[in-house]
Amino acid sequence: GAVVSQHPSWVICKSGTSVKIECRSLDFQATTMFWYRQFPKQSLMLMATSNEGSKATYEQGVEKDKFLINHASLTLSTLTVTSAHPEDSSFYICSATGTGGDNNEQFFGPGTRLTVL
Amino acid sequence: AQSVTQPDIHITVSEGASLELRCNYSYGATPYLFWYVQSPGQGLQLLLKYFSGDTLVQGIKGFEAEFKRSQSSFNLRKPSVHWSDAAEYFCAVGAGFQKLVFGTGTRLLVSP
Repeated sequence: GAVVSQHPSWVICKSGTSVKIECRSLDFQATTMFWYRQFPKQSLMLMATSNEGSKATYEQGVEKDKFLINHASLTLSTLTVTSAHPEDSSFYICSATGTGGDNNEQFFGPGTRLTVL
Repeated sequence: AQSVTQPDIHITVSEGASLELRCNYSYGATPYLFWYVQSPGQGLQLLLKYFSGDTLVQGIKGFEAEFKRSQSSFNLRKPSVHWSDAAEYFCAVGAGFQKLVFGTGTRLLVSP
């Protein structure tokens, strides 16, 4: 199957700083990328959907000014957590789909563990 | 509202024994249903999916799942569990692969 990578795999930062997480599709062109957040023992919650070259669509309750998403190329999307606070500590997962409409499988990255001190 | 319930937070099964992981969903239209497995350090991997047709679907790694509309269920089964099956399993519902709603997951432990 297609491979999606995330970098870094884990990051620790101080409260008030910004952190950028990269999501790359390694062997296919990702027209759509998704960002999820997963709390311990809880489900993956969709944060936003981004299409290459367009502004991301955020789910209800997700602050777009806090979680900046950029999908500037067909192989790279970034999530920047701005002015991070301890409550932003979580596991962030991206996924990507190629062309072909709704029936294209989402391929998931391994996730990034963010800890805000 | 769409939702997925996985009632078992964790399950322990002896190696070689059969496995059934439960999944119930609530969805306003014809559901597209999925099972994913998440292993440490790896991304979620699709085990199988149901879009239409035969309600018993076969997946990778010897897994199968049965869609029962009357019970709003999509339980995952495997006749003989291997130690390498120990992982977190997620059931999901959506309209195709977009806008997936996930359950809270079931952690499978395999005892020798």
